[in-house]
Amino acid sequence: GAGVSQTPSNKVTEKGKYVELRCDPISGHTALYWYRQSLGQGPEFLIYFQGTGAADDSGLPNDRFFAVRPEGSVSTLKIQRTERGDSAVYLCASSYQSSGANVLTFGAGSRLTVL
Amino acid sequence: QQPVQSPQAVILREGEDAVINCSSSKALYSVHWYRQKHGEAPVFLMILLKGGEQKGHEKISASFNEKKQQSSLYLTASQLSYSGTYFCGTYGSARQLTFGSGTQLTVLP
Repeated sequence: GAGVSQTPSNKVTEKGKYVELRCDPISGHTALYWYRQSLGQGPEFLIYFQGTGAADDSGLPNDRFFAVRPEGSVSTLKIQRTERGDSAVYLCASSYQSSGANVLTFGAGSRLTVL
Repeated sequence: QQPVQSPQAVILREGEDAVINCSSSKALYSVHWYRQKHGEAPVFLMILLKGGEQKGHEKISASFNEKKQQSSLYLTASQLSYSGTYFCGTYGSARQLTFGSGTQLTVLP
C-alpha cells in the first residue's frame, strides 16, 4: 500500500482482556517495527522483524506481549491479560531493510486504553 | 540506552532560528531525526550516517559528531509549520532505533 496502515485506530478494553493490534506495512518493506509511545515520551522500541522472523524482541516488556508476522508482510501485536499500564499509542513502522541507513515510515498508531 | 535531547521545549517567533541537540553514551552508526505533530505519526526529516553521508529534508540541516556521539538539528527561518515535537533516534550496536524523549517546538506568528 501507499503507507503503513494500522488497525484499529482506537481500542478501549477492560483490564484482563486480550487485544490484537494489526499493522500492514508498505509493500516491499522487509523490516517491520513495533514501538509504544506514552504521553509526552518518545517511541519506545518493542520488537522488530526482518522478514517473518523476530530479529530482536528485547523491548517486549513481559511475556504478556507477543507479535507475529507469519508471511513476512502483515504483523499482529498481541497483548494478553491487559493492564492499565499498557495504555499507550502503539506505533508500527516499516523500512526497506533493517539497517541504520534506512528510513522508518510510521503508521498513525493504535491508541489502546485499558480501563 | 536512550539518547538525551535538549532543550526539552523551545518557543520561537516565526523567522527565528533554533538548534536541537541529541547525545548518546554509546558509539553510533547513524542518527535519525523525526518530527511528530499532535495526534499524528512521526515523520522522517533526516538521517546522518557515520562517515558523513546525509539524507533528508532540503530546508533542514543537521550535524553529526561521531567522536562525541552527538547530533544537532538546525531549524533556520522557522515557519509555523515547523511546530511539533522533534525526536532523535540513534542506531548503534543494538541494531535498533532508540528514540529520545523529544523536544517540543512551538513557533508563534
